[in-house]
Amino acid sequence: ILNVEQSPQSLHVQEGDSTNFTCSFPSSNFYALHWYRWETAKSPEALFVMTLNGDEKKKGRISATLNTKEGYSYLYIKGSQPEDSATYLCAHHNFNKFYFGSGTKLNVKP
Amino acid sequence: GAGVSQTPSNKVTEKGKYVELRCDPISGHTALYWYRQSLGQGPEFLIYFQGTGAADDSGLPNDRFFAVRPEGSVSTLKIQRTERGDSAVYLCASSSRTDEQFFGPGTRLTVL
Repeated sequence: ILNVEQSPQSLHVQEGDSTNFTCSFPSSNFYALHWYRWETAKSPEALFVMTLNGDEKKKGRISATLNTKEGYSYLYIKGSQPEDSATYLCAHHNFNKFYFGSGTKLNVKP
Repeated sequence: GAGVSQTPSNKVTEKGKYVELRCDPISGHTALYWYRQSLGQGPEFLIYFQGTGAADDSGLPNDRFFAVRPEGSVSTLKIQRTERGDSAVYLCASSSRTDEQFFGPGTRLTVL
């Protein structure tokens, strides 16, 4: 079992604030790191797949970075909007298994 | 195209009963995964199918849990003699490549 940890557990921000979350994972036997966005009663939606140390990916106002040597990834949201409210999950991909963190629950207040 | 679907979306049962949870993967996806998310935790791997066979069932918690995928498409997760601790969201995912998984919306199981 691989220990994947996310922080903070929950976050409350005002509309327009920028925010970031952390995912830490074992740096050995690294294959890929995935970020998902999960709204209540919907399917988790893939945001990013990151494989190389130093990777930076961006989709609109959301971006992510990866450090495989020290075992962490950051997810950034610029100018948070109420529709960004969701749980953000990261998963360490090792062979055919995904090992998930417990998620960061983001609530953006209008 | 259609995504991964799961039925039912919610299931309430009594302790000791048998339940079946169904997953319809994306058409053509050979790999299918089951996960369980308990309250306050992330999804936890249960079992992985490649085609019809279970390639890795190391995450099934005990012999009350069983899953099948007889024709390499739809999968059913079966739980016998349910216990209150089985209450969770059961997620299914499918993929055609090893570096991605597409998830269904989950089945929320409540055991009273």
